[in-house]
Amino acid sequence: AQKITQTQPGMFVQEKEAVTLDCTYDTSDPSYGLFWYKQPSSGEMIFLIYQGSYDQQNATEGRYSLNFQKARKSANLVISASQLGDSAMYFCAMREGWDAGGTSYGKLTFGQGTILTVHP
Amino acid sequence: EPEVTQTPSHQVTQMGQEVILRCVPISNHLYFYWYRQILGQKVEFLVSFYNNEISEKSEIFDDQFSVERPDGSNFTLKIRSTKLEDSAMYFCASSERGGGNYNSPLHFGNGTRLTVT
Repeated sequence: AQKITQTQPGMFVQEKEAVTLDCTYDTSDPSYGLFWYKQPSSGEMIFLIYQGSYDQQNATEGRYSLNFQKARKSANLVISASQLGDSAMYFCAMREGWDAGGTSYGKLTFGQGTILTVHP
Repeated sequence: EPEVTQTPSHQVTQMGQEVILRCVPISNHLYFYWYRQILGQKVEFLVSFYNNEISEKSEIFDDQFSVERPDGSNFTLKIRSTKLEDSAMYFCASSERGGGNYNSPLHFGNGTRLTVT
């Protein structure tokens, strides 16, 4: 079963508007972290924002915010006031505290990604 | 800001040849990872490394692959006999914390694009 699901292969948004990128996850571990990364066409992976499973408030980082709905197991990324430079692939990823064997070395598991295109 | 550096940025090799991809993780980080991304696809975990040994590996990381931390700063991925399907972007990542510390992000290098002809 997929641990991280991003159902939007591509999204379009007008410059200066807000956009939400969807992410759902699956884990039985009570301790986990959810991360969003941006991958521009140049290929590097840029860490954007993090949400912990025990965090009471939604994470925010500048124009990025995370709409965390724990009961629904969703962690959607909201980008406000989109800019042309936001055009990129966006990945949702999860890091679990402990695996089923009782050990964890903290690997990230990625979703399939969403390509965001910002139109002028 | 400290960063993970990877060399080379692009490597072209012939099928059957050995390649070594190099990474310098962030200096105070203890957990190291290799990922690969076939063009336009998902980022796939290969291996994690802690305390000078492999801590976890995926099914992709077969006997053709090996990792090493030859000194205090470098972290390498070796592919012994490359195949066409090894063509991908390979990312090195490091993290300050691992284990049950799920709230520490992985910091990625800019990747090495490996092309096997």
